[in-house]
Amino acid sequence: QVQLVQSGAEVKKPGASVKVSCKASGYTFTSYGISWVRQAPGQGLEWMGWISAYNGNTNYAQKLQGRVTMTTDTSTSTAYMELRSLRSDDTAVYYCARGIGLRPFDYWGQGTLVTVSS
Amino acid sequence: QSALTQPASVSGSPGQSITISCTGTSSDVGGYNYVSWYQQHPGKAPKLMIYEVSNRPSGVPDRFSGSKSGNTASLTISGLQAEDEADYYCSSYTSSSTLAFGGGTKLTVL
Repeated sequence: QVQLVQSGAEVKKPGASVKVSCKASGYTFTSYGISWVRQAPGQGLEWMGWISAYNGNTNYAQKLQGRVTMTTDTSTSTAYMELRSLRSDDTAVYYCARGIGLRPFDYWGQGTLVTVSS
Repeated sequence: QSALTQPASVSGSPGQSITISCTGTSSDVGGYNYVSWYQQHPGKAPKLMIYEVSNRPSGVPDRFSGSKSGNTASLTISGLQAEDEADYYCSSYTSSSTLAFGGGTKLTVL
């Protein structure tokens, strides 16, 4: 069965970076892309961007351009999302999901809580 | 401010039907048949309920249906059940090759 398993919770100081992983199993990794979505406490879903696991092409949300980098490691079927220059308003649960572009997000990871606090 | 507009809350009694709207523009909802709906229970990851406006993934009850007219998409849940109480989010592909989410709608089953 398809599974996306994310890395554990992180606590970071303002200005630091965080890298969240998302290990896929149960399907051919390079046949689908991975999207990243975050949810601040008590707030709605925010699309962060996506990456093609086939060729590494990315598309990021404009508000995160310059601070976010999404990568994949096809040898381990793992996607990564790195967010730099963290601010308090980056505190959120970060989800990976299978699907990019026109494809719906049909499977989701369990979420990773990133807390940014001094 | 979310790109797509949803009502903050809707409610209904068990057995009734409710509809949640999702309003965008011709650059997203109105321009593409790539609208999805997600259900999210507290503390859980979102779950895909509807894709490409009106298609249901395997395992989603046929009580859930989707439609679109112009720049507004809608999710209808018929025969409301207690377990349908959750937050619902619409999303749409956009002309910028990005994805927009709605602000979310809290469904309360009375």
